[in-house]
Amino acid sequence: GENVEQHPSTLSVQEGDSAVIKCTYSDSASNYFPWYKQELGKRPQLIIDIRSNVGEKKDQRIAVTLNKTAKHFSLHITETQPEDSAVYFCENTGNQFYFGTGTSLTVIP
Amino acid sequence: GAVVSQHPSRVICKSGTSVKIECRSLDFQATTMFWYRQFPKQSLMLMATSNEGSKATYEQGVEKDKFLINHASLTLSTLTVTSAHPEDSSFYICSARGLLQPQHFGDGTRLSIL
Repeated sequence: GENVEQHPSTLSVQEGDSAVIKCTYSDSASNYFPWYKQELGKRPQLIIDIRSNVGEKKDQRIAVTLNKTAKHFSLHITETQPEDSAVYFCENTGNQFYFGTGTSLTVIP
Repeated sequence: GAVVSQHPSRVICKSGTSVKIECRSLDFQATTMFWYRQFPKQSLMLMATSNEGSKATYEQGVEKDKFLINHASLTLSTLTVTSAHPEDSSFYICSARGLLQPQHFGDGTRLSIL
């Protein structure tokens, strides 16, 4: 069935390195792709989003890329810092809504 | 910005009690509200999707008679855990969204059934 697959489920990087999380979807009607960050004990919050008419969007150290042909979109965090440690969720929405299973990112000081 | 208010933040009650959790969108009209359950150190598990004025759509494995969802208006959805038992203890979190907008999450409700 149609869904979204998020990888990896856990990711550890050294402070200053980059982190990439990828989501693959199958619903060709998907046209909105947000990413959320959930810090321990807190609510998930939107950190960046992209719509289907754009291939890349950047906000300081965070960027999202979208490949509609291959049906995947990725979150890129550069120059990682300990405060980036959290669980990250992807989502894609079109006619239906799909939520990723989350990636636990740990940035090692 | 948009805010979602979820109450109560914590509930401790005896087994067999029914518990109601409210989710309100404070400054926007939510076309859709979602209810999630989250176990410690685990991902958010979508329980159901709720559209105003219609019946909720439950995910596979979620008992609709156990977890009653009412979406009475564009700003309010409620989740009632009926006859709660210890295995229902968990962190429940709601979210609300407008059309092609991101989800705005509530602060969650920590439910503990004794």
